[in-house]
Amino acid sequence: GAVVSQHPSWVICKSGTSVKIECRSLDFQATTMFWYRQFPKQSLMLMATSNEGSKATYEQGVEKDKFLINHASLTLSTLTVTSAHPEDSSFYICSASPTSGIRNEQFFGPGTRLTVL
Amino acid sequence: EDQVTQSPEALRLQEGESSSLNCSYTVSGLRGLFWYRQDPGKGPEFLFTLYSAGEEKEKERLKATLTKKESFLHITAPKPEDSATYLCAVRGTGGSYIPTFGRGTSLIVHP
Repeated sequence: GAVVSQHPSWVICKSGTSVKIECRSLDFQATTMFWYRQFPKQSLMLMATSNEGSKATYEQGVEKDKFLINHASLTLSTLTVTSAHPEDSSFYICSASPTSGIRNEQFFGPGTRLTVL
Repeated sequence: EDQVTQSPEALRLQEGESSSLNCSYTVSGLRGLFWYRQDPGKGPEFLFTLYSAGEEKEKERLKATLTKKESFLHITAPKPEDSATYLCAVRGTGGSYIPTFGRGTSLIVHP
């Protein structure tokens, strides 16, 4: 149980294009999902909190017009990197916490490696 | 503001050499302390949740313990496949439900 998937697992795109990353909770519902970015050999950097049915909450320094987040249902959140540039190349990871029960754990997806040429 | 400090940053062990990783934290009311394992190029894998001081949890060669100020992840007789980065996170009862992560401990177990 508590499986989170991400698609695609890796993507290579040209500078200026947009890339959409999907995050799905496969066997539980999640009112809230989180999007992280991770640089090599560094810890997780929270980018935004995605709330089902409402606007995402972005961390300081994260451009909300560049990183569009949509939480369309209790099992799906998407991150769109708009007009991607080489500096956006990174490892993007989503996580989700089950809506029901008292558990507070986050369960992470396998991550998406984005390379912008 | 919740804070998490993990030590050491990196740890090299010989196979079978037991050791412990430390996670020191400050939080306004602990809702949960979490341990994760992350392999290179993959998302973190959930290991344990601890809720109150004195609590312990075990999984194979790993044992997590909790006090009011810190948590330890004990690794008994580690194997090379235990090599990974181990992340600690806390969630407090303060207004934010967002967990705070430490920088992690990179563990390498040599055969």
